[in-house]
Amino acid sequence: NAGVTQTPKFRVLKTGQSMTLLCAQDMNHEYMYWYRQDPGMGLRLIHYSVGEGTTAKGEVPDGYNVSRLKKQNFLLGLESAAPSQTSVYFCASSYPDGQETQYFGPGTRLLVL
Amino acid sequence: QQPVQSPQAVILREGEDAVINCSSSKALYSVHWYRQKHGEAPVFLMILLKGGEQKGHDKISASFNEKKQQSSLYLTASQLSYSGTYFCGTERKNSGYSTLTFGKGTMLLVSP
Repeated sequence: NAGVTQTPKFRVLKTGQSMTLLCAQDMNHEYMYWYRQDPGMGLRLIHYSVGEGTTAKGEVPDGYNVSRLKKQNFLLGLESAAPSQTSVYFCASSYPDGQETQYFGPGTRLLVL
Repeated sequence: QQPVQSPQAVILREGEDAVINCSSSKALYSVHWYRQKHGEAPVFLMILLKGGEQKGHDKISASFNEKKQQSSLYLTASQLSYSGTYFCGTERKNSGYSTLTFGKGTMLLVSP
């Protein structure tokens, strides 16, 4: 059981470049989430999904798009990266059991120059 | 709106106790507590549901006061392994689905 995995672990982009972050979970969880973590800001929700084929905006969705084509995968896309998107990105998943304990992936560190 | 955590940072000696508070301006359905060690992912500690219950996890316990819209995390006889940043997450309902809004975190350092 790998839990929640994220690729890549680290990436450097130039302003204007695009990239996709991949999150995969093998726990058969319905819900998946993308967060960004910046120093002193805690974890802020970017987008989330409550099931295959569904996505919804979180607190800070601007500049990001997501897709959930398969239940086990949740993709986060940056179409035109900006320095303000330099951050650590965490993916999480949970099961809709009324408590929705979230299990986090190891994170992707992104630097936009 | 992010819940407010206090204090921002705590430095303890091994064996000392600490309390971390989490308060919200909105009504709370539940409060989740996570711990994140440096360079690692956040890890779930416990969840407090409506009803004012208190829970425990080893020597870490928490309480939830719905009326005051706040939760407190109690770390008793702290160990070196308790060092890390603690986040509270308050449940928010959107169209019937729940998401968490996390506080900015409380950094805890336990020294020998």
